[in-house]
Amino acid sequence: AAGVIQSPRHLIKEKRETATLKCYPIPRHDTVYWYQQGPGQDPQFLISFYEKMQSDKGSIPDRFSAQQFSDYHSELNMSSLELGDSALYFCASSLWRFASYEQYFGPGTRLTVT
Amino acid sequence: QQQVKQSPQSLIVQKGGISIINCAYENTAFDYFPWYQQFPGKGPALLIAIRPDVSEKKEGRFTISFNKSAKQFSLHIMDSQPGDSATYFCAAIFQGAQKLVFGQGTRLTINP
Repeated sequence: AAGVIQSPRHLIKEKRETATLKCYPIPRHDTVYWYQQGPGQDPQFLISFYEKMQSDKGSIPDRFSAQQFSDYHSELNMSSLELGDSALYFCASSLWRFASYEQYFGPGTRLTVT
Repeated sequence: QQQVKQSPQSLIVQKGGISIINCAYENTAFDYFPWYQQFPGKGPALLIAIRPDVSEKKEGRFTISFNKSAKQFSLHIMDSQPGDSATYFCAAIFQGAQKLVFGQGTRLTINP
């Protein structure tokens, strides 16, 4: 079965640079979620989109922005990167319009800020 | 403040034994309780989930027990295998919400 696709898988940036992470949800899923996971930590919810509209927001820094496009893929844009942004970033998707809470996670993007 | 509290932080079980991980929550507005399995460097994988109107759900070797009055739920892994060695997260979602709230995670090691 098709899974969530994330790119790139690894990304190395310097402080104050900008990064863009991409997410391709499972086909026919209408909702995407972004989570950040620090080393040894549980995933923390950043933001979600349902049918291309922001639907929920967590502890996402103002330096980060995201959107969902007409083909349902999503991008997370991170500017003015800080050392503390180094983490695993996961995208998940679900079929929200059928009241499904099941979220399926992608393999993640490992962001390293130097 | 951790809204979902998970224990133990780490667990070592012998092959063939039963692994038990516990979670507790305070907010009764939580409406869905999934468990995720995560291997190092990989994304969390949905294992099994339960709603509060059910006391137990079993899928293969994995069972969730849910105690609504105590606001606790647990994951039982029967006949634990070395391949089950991973970090396990319990989680919860508020009714009508989308944000998964995770527990702190349990690092499970199955000794052969």
